[in-house]
Amino acid sequence: GAVVSQHPSRVICKSGTSVKIECRSLDFQATTMFWYRQFPKQSLMLMATSNEGSKATYEQGVEKDKFLINHASLTLSTLTVTSAHPEDSSFYICSAKTAGGTLSYEQYFGPGTRLTVT
Amino acid sequence: SQKIEQNSEALNIQEGKTATLTCNYTNYSPAYLQWYRQDPGRGPVFLLLIRENEKEKRKERLKVTFDTTLKQSLFHITASQPADSATYLCALETGGFKTIFGAGTRLFVKA
Repeated sequence: GAVVSQHPSRVICKSGTSVKIECRSLDFQATTMFWYRQFPKQSLMLMATSNEGSKATYEQGVEKDKFLINHASLTLSTLTVTSAHPEDSSFYICSAKTAGGTLSYEQYFGPGTRLTVT
Repeated sequence: SQKIEQNSEALNIQEGKTATLTCNYTNYSPAYLQWYRQDPGRGPVFLLLIRENEKEKRKERLKVTFDTTLKQSLFHITASQPADSATYLCALETGGFKTIFGAGTRLFVKA
């Protein structure tokens, strides 16, 4: 149980284009989903928190117009990197948690998406 | 600001020995603390959660301690195996359901 998937696992795009990354909770309803990015040998840095049906809350320093987050349903959140640049190349990871029950304190992560902008 | 420190140096141990990883935190009093395993190129996998009123928690070969006075958690893997080689992350939940992570400690278990 508590499986989170991400698609695609790897993507290479040209500078200036936009890329959409999907995050799905496969066997539970995720009231809250999180998006992180991780640079090599560094910790996960929280980018934004999204709750189903409402606008995402972005961390300080994260451009909301550049990283568009949509949490359209209890099982799907998307992150769109708009007008991507090489400095956006990173490992993007989503996670999901429920509001209650046995999973409430545990955060389940997707396998990550490696974005390379050329 | 809240800060989590994990030993950035890799830990190398021999198979069968006990690995002990340390997590220290400052400027916060978390209600619970979590440990995750992360393999290269993969997302973290939840291992254990320990609450502030729990001194110790075990799961198979894993043991976690939580000392809220020292603001420290220790993560032990007994009878370690090469398959245990990975990066282990310590995490705390701050207000508003946000989680902050340490940078992780890389563990290498030699056969």
